[in-house]
Amino acid sequence: GEDVEQSLFLSVREGDSSVINCTYTDSSSTYLYWYKQEPGAGLQLLTYIFSNMDMKQDQRLTVLLNKKDKHLSLRIADTQTGDSAIYFCAETGTYKYIFGTGTRLKVLA
Amino acid sequence: DAGVIQSPRHEVTEMGQEVTLRCKPISGHNSLFWYRQTMMRGLELLIYFNNNVPIDDSGMPEDRFSAKMPNASFSTLKIQPSEPRDSAVYFCASSLLGPQSGEKLFFGSGTQLSVL
Repeated sequence: GEDVEQSLFLSVREGDSSVINCTYTDSSSTYLYWYKQEPGAGLQLLTYIFSNMDMKQDQRLTVLLNKKDKHLSLRIADTQTGDSAIYFCAETGTYKYIFGTGTRLKVLA
Repeated sequence: DAGVIQSPRHEVTEMGQEVTLRCKPISGHNSLFWYRQTMMRGLELLIYFNNNVPIDDSGMPEDRFSAKMPNASFSTLKIQPSEPRDSAVYFCASSLLGPQSGEKLFFGSGTQLSVL
């Protein structure tokens, strides 16, 4: 079935790295995404990775993809208080985006 | 472009009343999605339109929910009659092409619905 799973909470200290993990189910997903949701707002795309890649780096963000294990991770280097938000991974089904449960990241000053 | 515009921003109503949520997608986008977000169930896809045609409404909870897209620039999600368990944040999102194209979704700010 369609079930994208994430841990619900993550707490890190400012300046440390954050790693948010996700497992997905649809091995045919062409793209896998990370979205960020700040309080009171909709989701915004952070980054995405094409399914034939295993890593993508974008400034402080590093996405790792393990297709064999259907595991996706997002690493945020030098985490700042402004990174506090809910992070969603998403896979693309045949014609829809399937979102995970979201990981609430809290950055402690 | 102003992005995806949803109205109202907040809606408080009493059980049994009709609720209509509105969405204006980004101009030129041909895919539109309605999502519902709750603490218990996370982000659920309710319905997906492509070129104004409903493609998948399997996520619509029950007959009390209906959605329309009369033209490319407007969509509504209606709940009649509303119930307290419908309380959630409802998001509209649009994209230029479909999910398999790698096109990102643009989300509106959501409508916070409270049914008393």
